[in-house]
Formats: sequence, C-alpha cells, structure tokens
Amino acid sequence: KAGVTQTPRYLIKTRGQQVTLSCSPISGHRSVSWYQQTPGQGLQFLFEYFSETQRNKGNFPGRFSGRQFSNSRSEMNVSTLELGDSALYLCASSLGQGGPEAFFGQGTRLTVV
Amino acid sequence: KNEVEQSPQNLTAQEGEFITINCSYSVGISALHWLQQHPGGGIVSLFMLSSGKKKHGRLIATINIQEKHSSLHITASHPRDSAVYICAVRFGNQFYFGTGTSLTVIP
Repeated sequence: KAGVTQTPRYLIKTRGQQVTLSCSPISGHRSVSWYQQTPGQGLQFLFEYFSETQRNKGNFPGRFSGRQFSNSRSEMNVSTLELGDSALYLCASSLGQGGPEAFFGQGTRLTVV
Repeated sequence: KNEVEQSPQNLTAQEGEFITINCSYSVGISALHWLQQHPGGGIVSLFMLSSGKKKHGRLIATINIQEKHSSLHITASHPRDSAVYICAVRFGNQFYFGTGTSLTVIP
C-alpha cells in the first residue's frame, strides 16, 4: 500500500512568485491536513480538508490556500512568496477527520530566495 | 503564550536507558498525539491518546486528562530512537504542537 506522496520534494522560488504543492493521500483516506515547519516556529497547522471541503484553518494569511479534489488529492498554494515562507511543508492523510494521528508524507522543502 | 509545553528540549542518553519525555497543555483537548521526526524531515505518528495508556513495542504513552499532562516513555533505548519527538494537541478546530524534544541515544 503506497504511503502519502508529496511532490515536489524540493523547490526553490523567488520572492513574489507563487507555488503549488501537491499531496496524494493513502488510498481510501478522505482527509488531508497541511502543516508548516520552520526552525523558529516549529510545526504549525495550515488547514484540513475532508471530502473536498475545508474543515479547519490555522492562523495563516490569505496568501496560503488549498483545495482537495474528488480523488482526495490535495494541493496547497502560496502566492506572493516571502522569504519567511521558506519551510518544510508536510501533509498528512487519515480515514476520517484529519490531525496529527494521520500518516505523514516526507514533506516538500520550499526555499524562497 | 504556548498552549503546549514539552520538556526537556534536548536529551542525551546511553543505549539501554529508560527515557521519559513530558508534555503539558493548557486547555481541554479532544486528543493528544506523539510524533517522531527523523533527520531529513519524515514524520511518523506514534500515538493518539484521549485517555489512559498505550503501548507499542518499546514505546509507552500515557495521558492524565485532569492534570493536562502526557508522557512518552522509551524503554531500553537504542541509537535508532534518536529523533525529535513532538507532542501535538487539538483544541476545537485548531491544532497546536510542542517545540519538540531532540533525543540522542549514544551507543
């Protein structure tokens, strides 16, 4: 059974650009949640999707957005990138309501220069 | 203000030692989770607890709801246990994480 797949694994972007990250959950899982990890702030919750609907959202600016497709795959988008957006972005999938109890992907390392 | 506090921040142990990592939180929660993160970033969910105690191999997690406290124990520690251990809790619609405990087990 394949695990949670995040693409790309590494990404370098320039300030002001936008970026889209992808997360494919474990087959049969309907919930996907996203997290940002930085050295200064640690892990922070971004948002959670279940059956294509955003269920919960963390305290991030509107530049951070996401969506979930009918096959449960999820994307997150960050517009107008800032240097502080450099982080490891993790997604997790679970059968039901999302949360840290889920299975995590390896993450996407985003560097903004 | 940090809703989730972990201690210690760093821990070095000799192989075979019994290890305890603590997590305290400030408000009522629906569940508490222990995560393990190895160098390179991969995160593994170890336990989800809402009461009592859970055991998986050499790992034991306990939670005391009244005292708002949880502990993660590792028995007979091994160098492969070296990782960052993170406590995470759900308050309503929000998820909060501790800053993590960096564990190094020396052979």
